[in-house]
Amino acid sequence: SQTIHQWPATLVQPVGSPLSLECTVEGTSNPNLYWYRQAAGRGLQLLFYSVGIGQISSEVPQNLSASRPQDRQFILSSKKLLLSDSGFYLCAWGTLRTNEKLFFGSGTQLSVL
Amino acid sequence: AQTVTQSQPEMSVQEAETVTLSCTYDTSESNYYLFWYKQPPSRQMILVIRQEAYKQQNATENRFSVNFQKAAKSFSLKISDSQLGDTAMYFCAFSTSYGKLTFGQGTILTVHP
Repeated sequence: SQTIHQWPATLVQPVGSPLSLECTVEGTSNPNLYWYRQAAGRGLQLLFYSVGIGQISSEVPQNLSASRPQDRQFILSSKKLLLSDSGFYLCAWGTLRTNEKLFFGSGTQLSVL
Repeated sequence: AQTVTQSQPEMSVQEAETVTLSCTYDTSESNYYLFWYKQPPSRQMILVIRQEAYKQQNATENRFSVNFQKAAKSFSLKISDSQLGDTAMYFCAFSTSYGKLTFGQGTILTVHP
């Protein structure tokens, strides 16, 4: 069966510090991978998606970047965090075989202070 | 651009009763997918039900069903025989390109014993 792992679960970082959030998927090959962000009490916003290794599409201009160094690994990064980067970050995966369904990780709560 | 609107910030229902959550969307596309996701206090995003726009038949998953009105661009979720475990935030979402979901702001549903 397929599983998605996302870590860390909680992160508190000072303004100006770097960020690296990692997401890995098991049990499937060549998945589409996504990073979403959820602001407090609001819906999710798509930040990045990737259809293959090294292929990253950004949906919104921001202080963050994403990379996909391996087929089932997706990384969200920042060189210098801003207060506005605080939020709940969710990684998700899907393939044609899942018939348009997305499966989400357990999320990372990021607090920038 | 597509938009999704959930006009009910909060709803409550008694256990075993039925509740309907509303969702409207705006798009010029003819082929798309609609979803309801559930986010319990654990914050894990769980797919509740999915509807393909080209299908006239309303989707049903056990106690969950939708009322899809394509002309009115309406996609409501009906929960029958509500259970305490249904307490969560519910998000309506829309997709034309695979995995690129646009979410509504969410409806907090509380099921009372």
